[in-house]
Amino acid sequence: AQSVTQLGSHVSVSEGALVLLRCNYSSSVPPYLFWYVQYPNQGLQLLLKYTTGATLVKGINGFEAEFKKSETSFHLTKPSAHMSDAAEYFCAVSDRTGGFKTIFGAGTRLFVKA
Amino acid sequence: GAVVSQHPSWVICKSGTSVKIECRSLDFQATTMFWYRQFPKQSLMLMATSNEGSKATYEQGVEKDKFLINHASLTLSTLTVTSAHPEDSSFYICSAKPGGEINEQFFGPGTRLTVL
Repeated sequence: AQSVTQLGSHVSVSEGALVLLRCNYSSSVPPYLFWYVQYPNQGLQLLLKYTTGATLVKGINGFEAEFKKSETSFHLTKPSAHMSDAAEYFCAVSDRTGGFKTIFGAGTRLFVKA
Repeated sequence: GAVVSQHPSWVICKSGTSVKIECRSLDFQATTMFWYRQFPKQSLMLMATSNEGSKATYEQGVEKDKFLINHASLTLSTLTVTSAHPEDSSFYICSAKPGGEINEQFFGPGTRLTVL
């Protein structure tokens, strides 16, 4: 069975500061890992994904994440927060062998202070 | 590319009525579509997986007679909430996955259902 744990339901950073959103996963098979962003009353937008190959993945809007198998982690980072980054962020794991069933983490609300 | 639409974007209905939500992949063929439910300030919970031309696979705890899913074509899946009750009020989001080697699902904008 797969699971995803996002540490911290809320994260607050100052504009220009480093953003670090934590995600740990559990999977019995090599997973596909994703980070999504959701703005209020909207669907999900893909920030980045890891499927295979390079473990440091770069996404949109300056975000990146590193797949660390030994730590079963896929933390999301951005060097400098912008006010527009304030949103809900979801880490997700998909089963590459089981029909792409996807499990989402509980989400982390990012607040950006001016 | 890879656009998924949902209709309606929001709906208000009376208790006891049925509501149909459509999910369409506009520029690709979706061999698999997923339906999620999201309560306020919570994560997405997978309700069911549907493959074109076959019966949907429901997650544990989801009533298949309550939430009817039909994946009639490679670009359309529908979710019908039957005999809706206030506790069915939620944000419903669909996603669609192309066939082949594309390892990604594309999400619709969601449908806000309010049952009075």
